[in-house]
Amino acid sequence: DVKVTQSSRYLVKRTGEKVFLECVQDMDHENMFWYRQDPGLGLRLIYFSYDVKMKEKGDIPEGYSVSREKKERFSLILESASTNQTSMYLCASRPSGPSGGRSYNEQFFGPGTRLTVL
Amino acid sequence: ELKVEQNPLFLSMQEGKNYTIYCNYSTTSDRLYWYRQDPGKSLESLFVLLSNGAVKQEGRLMASLDTKARLSTLHITAAVHDLSATYFCAVEANFGNEKLTFGTGTRLTIIP
Repeated sequence: DVKVTQSSRYLVKRTGEKVFLECVQDMDHENMFWYRQDPGLGLRLIYFSYDVKMKEKGDIPEGYSVSREKKERFSLILESASTNQTSMYLCASRPSGPSGGRSYNEQFFGPGTRLTVL
Repeated sequence: ELKVEQNPLFLSMQEGKNYTIYCNYSTTSDRLYWYRQDPGKSLESLFVLLSNGAVKQEGRLMASLDTKARLSTLHITAAVHDLSATYFCAVEANFGNEKLTFGTGTRLTIIP
């Protein structure tokens, strides 16, 4: 089974702190994603990466940066946390192209990190 | 820019009733995904719809795709309490760009 893990389930930080959210996948997927989930807004893509050291901005990249030094690990960084970044953060991974005998490439999600910025 | 709209946002229904969740999207696509999220948990894949007219069923849930109308539906038959969850649709705009765009989600509550 594909496993996507995130470093923390719950995190409380203070305004202005630098915050690191880590995500690791064990299926050798090329693509990894960071989303934030807020009530009534669904999932919004922050950043994604389609290869090591490659990254692309999603729909709401402001206030965030990412790092992908190894294929299995994708980190989300809040350089200076603010209260409006209080949210649920979800990491996901996906292979490039169909896999596992399927004609589509399924996306798998981690358990999420609920971040509160005070 | 691809937009994906789901409605309703909230749905409260009695056990035993039928209802439908709608997912409209704004650009051509023939790949649509449905996910379920239980409270406090992550998203699990429910269905993948890969062509016009595709229909998938699992238990009391049935999903369909009309690519000409740019519409997918998730139909719930004779609802039971353990179907209470938030349901998301997600659309892949161009196969190969590896990005899914998600709808806002529908929070479904089944009342005994």
